[in-house]
Amino acid sequence: DVKVTQSSRYLVKRTGEKVFLECVQDMDHENMFWYRQDPGLGLRLIYFSYDVKMKEKGDIPEGYSVSREKKERFSLILESASTNQTSMYLCASSLGRANNEQFFGPGTRLTVL
Amino acid sequence: SQQGEEDPQALSIQEGENATMNCSYKTSINNLQWYRQNSGRGLVHLILIRSNEREKHSGRLRVTLDTSKKSSSLLITASRAADTASYFCATDIYSTLTFGKGTMLLVSP
Repeated sequence: DVKVTQSSRYLVKRTGEKVFLECVQDMDHENMFWYRQDPGLGLRLIYFSYDVKMKEKGDIPEGYSVSREKKERFSLILESASTNQTSMYLCASSLGRANNEQFFGPGTRLTVL
Repeated sequence: SQQGEEDPQALSIQEGENATMNCSYKTSINNLQWYRQNSGRGLVHLILIRSNEREKHSGRLRVTLDTSKKSSSLLITASRAADTASYFCATDIYSTLTFGKGTMLLVSP
């Protein structure tokens, strides 16, 4: 079974802090994705990556950056956390572009105070 | 902008009944996928239907796709309390998925 793990289930940070959210998948998937999920807005794509050291902006990249130094790991970085970044963050991976069933991690609920 | 929109937003049924959820989308797609999310957890992939397919089955799930109407439906037959969850459709256009806002299904014993 594909396993996607996220570094924290719950995280509380203060405004202005730099925040790292880590995601690791164990099935050699090419693609990795970061979403945020908010009530009434559904899932929105922040960034994605089709290969190591590659990154593409999603629908809402502002205020975020990403890093993919190894195939199995995709990090989401909040350079200076703000209260409007309080949300559930979901990481996902998929095998390739032609087979893009996505496997999700359990999510990180981030609260920025 | 939201590509897929589920209908209804919420659905409450009794165990044993069937549940039908609908999804409408706006542009041409490569495939459409359905996911389930239990409260506060990650999403789980249920089924994928390609643009050249009209119907697909997986266990108690039946998905239809009508590309002329740009719509899909998910039918869960003989529902169980464990089916209580949010269900999302996701459209694949350029190898990324765009998710709808979901249908919350409550199955009462």
